[in-house]
Amino acid sequence: EDQVTQSPEALRLQEGESSSLNCSYTVSGLRGLFWYRQDPGKGPEFLFTLYSAGEEKEKERLKATLTKKESFLHITAPKPEDSATYLCAVQAGYTGNQFYFGTGTSLTVIP
Amino acid sequence: GAVVSQHPSWVICKSGTSVKIECRSLDFQATTMFWYRQFPKQSLMLMATSNEGSKATYEQGVEKDKFLINHASLTLSTLTVTSAHPEDSSFYICRPSGDQYEQYFGPGTRLTVT
Repeated sequence: EDQVTQSPEALRLQEGESSSLNCSYTVSGLRGLFWYRQDPGKGPEFLFTLYSAGEEKEKERLKATLTKKESFLHITAPKPEDSATYLCAVQAGYTGNQFYFGTGTSLTVIP
Repeated sequence: GAVVSQHPSWVICKSGTSVKIECRSLDFQATTMFWYRQFPKQSLMLMATSNEGSKATYEQGVEKDKFLINHASLTLSTLTVTSAHPEDSSFYICRPSGDQYEQYFGPGTRLTVT
C-alpha cells in the first residue's frame, strides 16, 4: 500500500538548535518528493522537489535530502519565523497524478 | 515560482446557500486541477480531480452533486459548494497541474457555514 509517514508529529526547538524532520515513503513509481511549508490559514508554500536518491537541495536554513526510502528536511540554526507545519508529499504513478501526503510536522522555534 | 490564486480567501455563508470558489493559475496552463479540503490540524484530503473540458473525478465519499467542479479553461477552475451545511466548513485548496515539475497550491479559501 502506498504510504507517506512523517515524524515527529511535533517538534519544539530553541532558536539556533538544528534538527531534522523525516518523511518515509513506500510508493510505486516515485516521480518526485515535495516539501512544503504551511502556515495557519494559508495554502502550502512550495519549498523543494527531489527526484532521485542522493539528490540534495538547499534554501536558506533548509536542506532537503532523498534516499530510496525517505527524505530529510534539515533545519540549521532555526529562527522563530521558521515555525510552521512542514508537509511532505510524494508524486507517483504512471500519470503522476497520484499525490500522497504525510500528516505533517508542526515545528515551533522558541526565541 | 508559479502563481496560483484563489478567490475568495474567506467566505461566510448561511446554511442552505451555495458558494463558488475560483482557482486561477496565473502563469501556466493547468491541464489538470486538484481540489483538496483540509480540516484543522489535519493534512490535505483530495476531493476531486478534473481535466480541462472534462467531468471531474471524485474521491470516494465526496458527493459530486454537492461539490460541483468546473474546469472550462486551462487557467480557471471553480468549486461550487451547493446547499452548504455547517459540516462543510473547511479550508479548500486547489492545485493546478500542467507541464511544470514543481507542484504549487493555491492560498486556500476558508469557508464558514453558519
